[in-house]
Amino acid sequence: SAVISQKPSRDICQRGTSLTIQCQVDSQVTMMFWYRQQPGQSLTLIATANQGSEATYESGFVIDKFPISRPNLTFSTLTVSNMSPEDSSIYLCSAHRGLNTGELFFGEGSRLTVL
Amino acid sequence: AQSVTQPDIHITVSEGASLELRCNYSYGATPYLFWYVQSPGQGLQLLLKYFSGDTLVQGIKGFEAEFKRSQSSFNLRKPSVHWSDAAEYFCAMDTGRRALTFGSGTRLQVQP
Repeated sequence: SAVISQKPSRDICQRGTSLTIQCQVDSQVTMMFWYRQQPGQSLTLIATANQGSEATYESGFVIDKFPISRPNLTFSTLTVSNMSPEDSSIYLCSAHRGLNTGELFFGEGSRLTVL
Repeated sequence: AQSVTQPDIHITVSEGASLELRCNYSYGATPYLFWYVQSPGQGLQLLLKYFSGDTLVQGIKGFEAEFKRSQSSFNLRKPSVHWSDAAEYFCAMDTGRRALTFGSGTRLQVQP
């Protein structure tokens, strides 16, 4: 299975600041996905990150709030900008292994608490 | 609208008892279907998946799931639950976008 590493694993942030989460995959992948899991909730897709193009955002998520970079086929970052307590969530990075498996692998997530 | 529904928010079973977690999907065709498990403080682990073919799929940890097209369902089962199965279980589907739509999750509690 693919190994996906995320940093930081957790952080406590102050209101109004921004934090960048890094996601590293141990093999080249075409598509990477960022999800948010609010406390006690399910996973919601934030955006799809393709290398060499702008990320595609889901309804309710905008680039100014969640800018994403995808500089190569093994790495992506998600920034949570101008944070408020409502941004306190687990943010998960995911990717497919190979092109056709259809199976998503997930990192262990980055738990952010905004005070 | 495309969606995944897990009608049971919380289920409690006794250790050794059988388990069935329900999942229904709403989509105009047959999606790819998945069950993931999330243990406290850990990431998501894939239990099993259905793409096509045999409607009864076997997964890891003794889990199985049955796809029923007529009911738009993909219920997860285990004949004998272990205390270590206590976790949050998510049903998910891929409609071809390669991203997953998740259900709201079912929290499983196992009584000794």
